[in-house]
Amino acid sequence: AQKITQTQPGMFVQEKEAVTLDCTYDTSDPSYGLFWYKQPSSGEMIFLIYQGSYDQQNATEGRYSLNFQKARKSANLVISASQLGDSAMYFCAMSGYSSASKIIFGSGTRLSIRP
Amino acid sequence: EADIYQTPRYLVIGTGKKITLECSQTMGHDKMYWYQQDPGMELHLIHYSYGVNSTEKGDLSSESTVSRIRTEHFPLTLESARPSHTSQYLCASSESGYGYTFGSGTRLTVV
Repeated sequence: AQKITQTQPGMFVQEKEAVTLDCTYDTSDPSYGLFWYKQPSSGEMIFLIYQGSYDQQNATEGRYSLNFQKARKSANLVISASQLGDSAMYFCAMSGYSSASKIIFGSGTRLSIRP
Repeated sequence: EADIYQTPRYLVIGTGKKITLECSQTMGHDKMYWYQQDPGMELHLIHYSYGVNSTEKGDLSSESTVSRIRTEHFPLTLESARPSHTSQYLCASSESGYGYTFGSGTRLTVV
């Protein structure tokens, strides 16, 4: 069975600082994908970044990067130069062969950016 | 510009009423999903479909039902709404399974 663990229920960060949101996962699938989604207070889910298990390099999308450590089964999200608009819930998620293309989500981290 | 649409955005309804939450996508995706999410909590898969006339129950037991008569349309129905159904319902679609596109969600309140 696949599992996603996010151990930080909430975080406070000063504006313009970098922030790392932790995510660990468990799977027996040899091939899988890891995702991060942002959910602002309005409720929609916004796709941020994707990392494939066979990708050699860490994924980056603008201010977002994914620190992928396969041996440790971790996929932390790094946000550089945080902005007030980054305040939201962040969900780590994964899919794989055993989940038949379904994505499972972690419990989320609520990030609050202080001005 | 949204490619997946959910209506209504907000719904307040009385106990015992029948409701249908609409979800439509214009991307031609075969795979569609319904998730239930309480405020500030994780998402739970309640239904999914891999194509027309194909529907399956998800990991979280739900009293709702779904149908998939057309590729673009995946409505969710509650025959008799109860206060325990109060939640946000998120619809998503996927082409390859690697990455979902989500709708804006329906926030349901049953009074």
